[in-house]
Amino acid sequence: GAVVSQHPSWVICKSGTSVKIECRSLDFQATTMFWYRQFPKQSLMLMATSNEGSKATYEQGVEKDKFLINHASLTLSTLTVTSAHPEDSSFYICSARSPGRTGTTYGYTFGSGTRLTVV
Amino acid sequence: GQQLNQSPQSMFIQEGEDVSMNCTSSSIFNTWLWYKQDPGEGPVLLIALYKAGELTSNGRLTAQFGITRKDSFLNISASIPSDVGIYFCAGQRGAQKLVFGQGTRLTINP
Repeated sequence: GAVVSQHPSWVICKSGTSVKIECRSLDFQATTMFWYRQFPKQSLMLMATSNEGSKATYEQGVEKDKFLINHASLTLSTLTVTSAHPEDSSFYICSARSPGRTGTTYGYTFGSGTRLTVV
Repeated sequence: GQQLNQSPQSMFIQEGEDVSMNCTSSSIFNTWLWYKQDPGEGPVLLIALYKAGELTSNGRLTAQFGITRKDSFLNISASIPSDVGIYFCAGQRGAQKLVFGQGTRLTINP
């Protein structure tokens, strides 16, 4: 089945520094990947849609200069949290659109998430 | 952003009991998905539904795609401790992004 690897699983960084999170599709090509943010006891909030070879599409209210997304290959998307602040501390999860049951359906496989703590 | 109405928000049950949760929407979806999330992990797909009226099982789990395409339910029979976690429904129209429910937190008393 489709597997998505997310790295690192947790990271602690100092306020003002930048952190990069990687999302890889291991056994399929993903032209589209998604980045979510999840606060404790809440649902997943879509931050942006990452398309291979083009600029990411950000959801309303998400600062594109703060959350840089690069989808340079069919198997890798990265999210960089720039100039991180304590309020950026959260659980970040990526998802890749994988081949679905039929040619017209899609599957969505999630990574294991990255716990970011900014101190 | 838009979310689905998922209920109940939390459930406290005894081991062995059956569980039922559902999601409703004011809009039609073409696909309904049910995920389970364990603490500190990403969601894992349990069941995918692609056709109105479709009833699909995965072991002790059964889910149905509502005939109106605006709702779906998930049932878990004979719950066991490893069923503990947060269950999310998600809906999709065509190739658009997923819309998630708020989640149902399941707690099981042994």
